[in-house]
Amino acid sequence: GAGVSQSPRYKVTKRGQDVALRCDPISGHVSLYWYRQALGQGPEFLTYFNYEAQQDKSGLPNDRFSAERPEGSISTLTIQRTEQRDSAMYRCASSLATQETQYFGPGTRLLVL
Amino acid sequence: AQSVSQHNHHVILSEAASLELGCNYSYGGTVNLFWYVQYPGQHLQLLLKYFSGDPLVKGIKGFEAEFIKSKFSFNLRKPSVQWSDTAEYFCAVIGGGFKTIFGAGTRLFVKA
Repeated sequence: GAGVSQSPRYKVTKRGQDVALRCDPISGHVSLYWYRQALGQGPEFLTYFNYEAQQDKSGLPNDRFSAERPEGSISTLTIQRTEQRDSAMYRCASSLATQETQYFGPGTRLLVL
Repeated sequence: AQSVSQHNHHVILSEAASLELGCNYSYGGTVNLFWYVQYPGQHLQLLLKYFSGDPLVKGIKGFEAEFIKSKFSFNLRKPSVQWSDTAEYFCAVIGGGFKTIFGAGTRLFVKA
């Protein structure tokens, strides 16, 4: 597609449920990033992929969060046993290469009740 | 740890006023610097970037930013703002790795 797409755009879930957030990057983009953005804050780095390799996951807050990019294209961020504090906007971005300009998707707004 | 500080959380200007948004970062090595903008209802998008060379960089829509290494700063400027510049502006830094560190953002409102 022309840009980065994310689905779903909005997700409401109950505490304790698992959620999977999808990111489809720009075709040919090697690098893929996941961020979390709380209200009134900037995007906070979660994890980074170079092709299918997860090269930095230091930003994942705990072991309930995981991400994969098995074929070096689409990526999924999974949150297990969601908690209310997980409510935020989750943003995905892709770039041609590491440290280059990132192109952002529209984000997924997650609300955990 | 790396960090990015944006000095103003909210700025209100009248059209034709000049704009300067402050950004300071903490990282002692080589950095790549960015300003991203999010217009109402739109995605985050790149406004301008600095990798090397001339420390005064020009971006889209008449914006520019100056990298001052000694001050660890990358302030964004525009001589004359327009109502359409109403948006949220984020400074971001990549230093020595893959992580992009964003500032908290500055919400700019331009009165017509």
